Amino acid sequence: NAGVMQNPRHLVRRRGQEARLRCSPMKGHSHVYWYRQLPEEGLKFMVYLQKENIIDESGMPKERFSAEFPKEGPSILRIQQVVRGDSAAYFCASSPQGTSSGANVLTFGAGSRLTVL
Amino acid sequence: AQTVTQSQPEMSVQEAETVTLSCTYDTSESDYYLFWYKQPPSRQMILVIRQEAYKQQNATENRFSVNFQKAAKSFSLKISDSQLGDAAMYFCAFLTNSGAGSYQLTFGKGTKLSVIP
Repeated sequence: NAGVMQNPRHLVRRRGQEARLRCSPMKGHSHVYWYRQLPEEGLKFMVYLQKENIIDESGMPKERFSAEFPKEGPSILRIQQVVRGDSAAYFCASSPQGTSSGANVLTFGAGSRLTVL
Repeated sequence: AQTVTQSQPEMSVQEAETVTLSCTYDTSESDYYLFWYKQPPSRQMILVIRQEAYKQQNATENRFSVNFQKAAKSFSLKISDSQLGDAAMYFCAFLTNSGAGSYQLTFGKGTKLSVIP
């Protein structure tokens, strides 16, 4: 079991460019979560998706950020027109079911570090 | 709003000794879950231990145990017989109901643990 796979591990973009971060959940997991970690901070929730559905995007910035989890393929976190403040580590996690019971513990990927020049 | 506070930005422990990392949280909910995650330099988020709030017995996983004081909203992590591989950032996290159809993990800012040979 390869675990949660994220790529790229490191991404450098200039201001105004687009960043695309990909996440393949663990085999058998149909729920994906994206978290952002700013320097010297803990992780902060961004969005929760199931296949083809956004369940909770209450942590997503209103502009420039979007996420999808298509029927086939990885989940994508897309950041348009990046700014320096977007520089952070972006973590994806997956679970076999939703976390409502707390029993379905999230498995995290190793993160993607975005640097905006 | 749910908050998680880790009051120790950095801690150090001698190899083979015991160290306790502090965590307090604030919530109005009565049923919830608490977690400790470890983040080594590789940045991978690794689940260390989990506690269900309805369980009075403190969770234990090998050398890791918690002291869960529900009334005080305190959830400290004790690491016994510390090893060099324990050196990492440790994050306390709290599973909350976002009210938007999902549950979210809320993280503290972390405690950086150094292990001295």
